[in-house]
Formats: sequence, C-alpha cells, structure tokens
Amino acid sequence: AQSVTQLGSHVSVSEGALVLLRCNYSSSVPPYLFWYVQYPNQGLQLLLKYTTGATLVKGINGFEAEFKKSETSFHLTKPSAHMSDAAEYFCAVSPTGNQFYFGTGTSLTVIP
Amino acid sequence: SQTIHQWPATLVQPVGSPLSLECTVEGTSNPNLYWYRQAAGRGLQLLFYSVGIGQISSEVPQNLSASRPQDRQFILSSKKLLLSDSGFYLCAWSATHRGQIGYTFGSGTRLTVV
Repeated sequence: AQSVTQLGSHVSVSEGALVLLRCNYSSSVPPYLFWYVQYPNQGLQLLLKYTTGATLVKGINGFEAEFKKSETSFHLTKPSAHMSDAAEYFCAVSPTGNQFYFGTGTSLTVIP
Repeated sequence: SQTIHQWPATLVQPVGSPLSLECTVEGTSNPNLYWYRQAAGRGLQLLFYSVGIGQISSEVPQNLSASRPQDRQFILSSKKLLLSDSGFYLCAWSATHRGQIGYTFGSGTRLTVV
C-alpha cells in the first residue's frame, strides 16, 4: 500500500529564511513524486514533479525538491521565503502515474 | 492546451436538497477523471475516479454519487445533502498515456450545507 507522510501540519518561517517542508513515502517501487501548492479557495497547482532522471528537481517560484531513494523522501525547499509563499503544500506519490496518494498537507506561514 | 473547468465556484445548499457539480476537460481525450473532497483543515480525500465513459469507481461509501455521461464530463451528485457534505470539492484529470504524468486540478467548489 502507498502512503505519504508530511511531517508538520503547520510550518512557520521568517521572510527570507529557508523553507523546508518534509515528505516521506512508502512504496514498493520507485514512484512518481509531486509537490502541489494550494492558495485559499483555489485548486491545487503543480509546483514540481519527479518522474525519472535527475533527482534534484526544480519547480516554479524558486522551489526545488530532491528525491532520495535510500531515505524514501522528497523534501521541498526554497532558499528564501517570500510572503507570497504562504499557502498549503501537498506532497503526492503515484506508483503508475495515474492514481495519486496525497499527504495531509502542510500549511506554511511566512512571518514578516 | 488542456484546460479543466469546474463550477460553480461556491454553493450554499440546505440540508436535504440535491446537488450537482460539474467538471469538464478540454484539449484531451479519454482522460482519467477524479473527484476529491477537502474538509476544513484536512487533506484530500479521493471520492470517485473514472477511466472511461460510464466507468466509475468509488473509494469511500457516502451520500454522493458520480457519473460520466461524456468522455470529458464528470458530474458529482447527491439526492439529499447532509451537513457533513460541506467542504471543498476538487475535480482533477490525468492523461492515460505515460508521456504525460500528473494531475491537473480544477479551481474547486466550496459547498456549504446549511
């Protein structure tokens, strides 16, 4: 069975500080991995995805994530937080590229 | 390019009333279609998914049903709404060919049952 664990349902960082949102997954095979962002009352927008190849993936808005197979992790980072980064972030895993399994989300607050 | 439309954006319905939320996809054929619900402060719950016309799989027993009358149309329905049906409903699609991997979400419907 697939599962996704996002450590920390709420994360607060100061503006300009490093953003680190954690995601661990369980999968019997190397899966496809995704990060989505959701702003209030909006749908989910794809930030980045890992399908194959380079394990460090760069996404939109300065975010990046690294697939570490040995740690079954796909943590999301951004060197310097901006006020506009305040949102809900979801990690997702898909063993086949079709059906997805989502984490419970991490709410990011950016403190001015 | 592919787009997904979901409506209405917000809806306030009394308990016991029917529900119909619609989702359509443009620019692709034979998509996989999904309905998710997001309750306040909680993650995403997969409600239904469909791999083709008339093919609906339900993930969670509930007061809701889904239908796919056309290839790119996915409808979420209820005959009688409950208070617990309140939440944020999201439609999504994914391609069936492996060249394009990932979900694309609609903008969501905020349903409040009063």
